[in-house]
Amino acid sequence: GDSVTQMEGPVTLSEEAFLTINCTYTATGYPSLFWYVQYPGEGLQLLLKATKADDKGSNKGFEATYRKETTSFHLEKGSVQVSDSAVYFCALRFTGNQFYFGTGTSLTVIP
Amino acid sequence: GAGVSQSPRYKVAKRGQDVALRCDPISGHVSLFWYQQALGQGPEFLTYFQNEAQLDKSGLPSDRFFAERPEGSVSTLKIQRTQQEDSAVYLCASSLVVVGGAYNEQFFGPGTRLTVL
Repeated sequence: GDSVTQMEGPVTLSEEAFLTINCTYTATGYPSLFWYVQYPGEGLQLLLKATKADDKGSNKGFEATYRKETTSFHLEKGSVQVSDSAVYFCALRFTGNQFYFGTGTSLTVIP
Repeated sequence: GAGVSQSPRYKVAKRGQDVALRCDPISGHVSLFWYQQALGQGPEFLTYFQNEAQLDKSGLPSDRFFAERPEGSVSTLKIQRTQQEDSAVYLCASSLVVVGGAYNEQFFGPGTRLTVL
């Protein structure tokens, strides 16, 4: 069935370091792909999305490219800030409204 | 309100008790979703409403779980005879509408953390 596998955490980085959080998916077809972020004490928020192969989603300095050939949607940011500390979830939506989420990757950025 | 709200934020129940979790979606949002998030896991889909109609309940783990949205706005997730494995965060999300498969962003509430002793 459809599923998402993302890099396990926790991840700890120094401020201004480069971030990559890996995400791969299994799906029969062509899903839409998403990254959600959950800041401490808050609900999940959409960070970025891509709806077809080779699309690049971007927001707040984060980017992810929908790679059909490698079934991946890795999240990257060139220079992280302390305020980026959160849990990041990769997700796919195939048919209908149902989302499939990864297990989440906790990121802590230290000054 | 500005976002999706859920109540209570925390609930402790003894095994065998019934619980009711409430979700207030964003005003005007037609679609409403419930998810279960176990510790250290991502959210897992439970059920979906469009207005008052429950269109998909394939994710409900057992017949002890029941959801309703009688007037197409507020929704309640009820769990009967709670078990320890029901301990999780229950998330509610709402979106405008899905028409012909077009995607509308889901806005999530902060969740209700249920602990069953």
